[in-house]
Amino acid sequence: AQTVTQSQPEMSVQEAETVTLSCTYDTSESNYYLFWYKQPPSRQMILVIRQEAYKQQNATENRFSVNFQKAAKSFSLKISDSQLGDTAMYFCAFMKHGGNYQLIWGAGTKLIIKP
Amino acid sequence: DVKVTQSSRYLVKRTGEKVFLECVQDMDHENMFWYRQDPGLGLRLIYFSYDVKMKEKGDIPEGYSVSREKKERFSLILESASTNQTSMYLCASRGDGANTEAFFGQGTRLTVV
Repeated sequence: AQTVTQSQPEMSVQEAETVTLSCTYDTSESNYYLFWYKQPPSRQMILVIRQEAYKQQNATENRFSVNFQKAAKSFSLKISDSQLGDTAMYFCAFMKHGGNYQLIWGAGTKLIIKP
Repeated sequence: DVKVTQSSRYLVKRTGEKVFLECVQDMDHENMFWYRQDPGLGLRLIYFSYDVKMKEKGDIPEGYSVSREKKERFSLILESASTNQTSMYLCASRGDGANTEAFFGQGTRLTVV
């Protein structure tokens, strides 16, 4: 069975700083997908970034980028030039290719951006 | 703009009541999911449905049932609500295939007293 671990329950940084959220996972699958979702206080879960395991290049979306280390089973999220609107819960999720494409979720990291 | 709509944001029910949580999506998605979200536990899958009238148990189905009579609507039913079912409930939908995004409703915070 797959598991996803987020070891940082809560983090806080000053606005404009760079912050990195950690995620590790355990799987015997070779083909899978990894995601970072954001859940702001409004509770609307939003996809931040997605990585396909067969792609070696790290995904980026504007200020958000990942460091995907397949051998180490690590998938960290870097937020550059953090903004107050980045304050949210961040969840790392795993999905294996095939089957019913279910998402396996980490426990989440609460990120607070301070002015 | 794609949308997943949950019928209530907040709900307070009494122990033993039958509770219905409704979820509607307007994206013609095949797959719909009900999750329970608790602090420190992330999201746990209760049930999912991959087609009308089709359902599969997730990781924590005990005490819950679901109904999907129409493609756009997926209902979660608490047959006899208990205090340990006090939680945040999230509905999601996604299309078929690996490279599709899951879209979420805004959640229902259920309190059972």
